[in-house]
Amino acid sequence: NAGVTQTPKFRVLKTGQSMTLLCAQDMNHEYMYWYRQDPGMGLRLIHYSVGEGTTAKGEVPDGYNVSRLKKQNFLLGLESAAPSQTSVYFCASSSPTGHLYNEQFFGPGTRLTVL
Amino acid sequence: AQSVTQLDSQVPVFEEAPVELRCNYSSSVSVYLFWYVQYPNQGLQLLLKYLSGSTLVKGINGFEAEFNKSQTSFHLRKPSVHISDTAEYFCAVSEVTAGNKLTFGGGTRVLVKP
Repeated sequence: NAGVTQTPKFRVLKTGQSMTLLCAQDMNHEYMYWYRQDPGMGLRLIHYSVGEGTTAKGEVPDGYNVSRLKKQNFLLGLESAAPSQTSVYFCASSSPTGHLYNEQFFGPGTRLTVL
Repeated sequence: AQSVTQLDSQVPVFEEAPVELRCNYSSSVSVYLFWYVQYPNQGLQLLLKYLSGSTLVKGINGFEAEFNKSQTSFHLRKPSVHISDTAEYFCAVSEVTAGNKLTFGGGTRVLVKP
């Protein structure tokens, strides 16, 4: 049981390049989330999904797109990277039912630098 | 929309001393409350949560928090810290609606000194 995994762990991009971050969970969770973490600002929600095939915007969605084609995977895309997107990105998942409902389980993070 | 304020960005504390991390929130609806811990270069791990019932919540590693609805606070405490408690701590809230979305505070970095 790996929990929540993220690929890659580190990445350096040049301004204007694109990339996709992959999140996978093996807990059969309905809900998945993408956050970014910046110093002094905590974690801010980028996009989230309440089920396969559904996505919704969070607090800071601009410049990002997401897809949830399979229940266990949640992809975060940057179409044209900007230096302001330099951050640590965390994926999380949760279940709306059961004794652990409302608890989000986090991946180890992806450190992205945009030059 | 809800918001979370963690009143201290850094808290230095000596080993075996008590520590309190302050968290205040604002929301127009009922909320669930959480404390997460992030050890260096790791993801977040749940320490404890308040959903309903007793306002004093006990979590892992000897931490506890008290929900105070009138003061809209959810302060975290530990009576005696260890070096291994050095980490960043995040308070978070979610509205009692679908999606379990969390709003985080800015974090409090705890440095335990020997």
